[in-house]
Amino acid sequence: QVQLQESGPGLVKPSETLSLTCSVSGVSISSGDYYWSWIRQPPGKGLEWIGYIYSSGSIYYDPSLTSRLTISSDTSKNQVSLRLTSVTAADTAVYYCARLLGSGLALDYWGQGTLVTVSS
Amino acid sequence: QSALTQPPSASGSPGQSVTISCTGTSSDVGDYSYVSWYQQHPGKAPKLMIYEVTERPSGVPDRFSGSKSGNTASLTVSGLQAEDEGEYYCSSYAGSNYFVFGTGTKVTVL
Repeated sequence: QVQLQESGPGLVKPSETLSLTCSVSGVSISSGDYYWSWIRQPPGKGLEWIGYIYSSGSIYYDPSLTSRLTISSDTSKNQVSLRLTSVTAADTAVYYCARLLGSGLALDYWGQGTLVTVSS
Repeated sequence: QSALTQPPSASGSPGQSVTISCTGTSSDVGDYSYVSWYQQHPGKAPKLMIYEVTERPSGVPDRFSGSKSGNTASLTVSGLQAEDEGEYYCSSYAGSNYFVFGTGTKVTVL
């Protein structure tokens, strides 16, 4: 059974760095035709793509976040991480990690999400 | 990339059908058969309902169906049930390793 679990601080100060980890169980993040993805949802708003890392290590970022975003993986821990610098209130959102199928380009497994609030 | 356009709301009585549209451009919905649909209940993570325009994942009722014509994809829910109430989002591949979500549609079962 594939499971994803996000973790990290729920409160980040403006201009600081947001760091989240997605722990994956039931499948190795370094094998298979999967992209390990980050999506966010501001309160009361819609879903937004952030970026993803392929099982081979290739990384893709949404153009609007490229300058502030780093996505990485730790295969020894079977974890994927997100790091977003210089955050503002606009980065307040529920952050989800999810598995993107390489064959169908659809998100078939999701974590439960974690709310990150940017506030002083 | 701009978000795909969905109607803010849709509704139907139990047993009826409701169809949600998802309008993009010739660079995303119109150019690729990688349109997926997600159902989201309040406070919960989204759930995959349709992928590759028409395909249903295992466990999704056949009341849910997808289609596409030109730059517009659609999700139809037939035989509406109370548990179908929620927010629905479409998503499309947009080329160059980019994806875009729809604006979301709130489905109400009357």
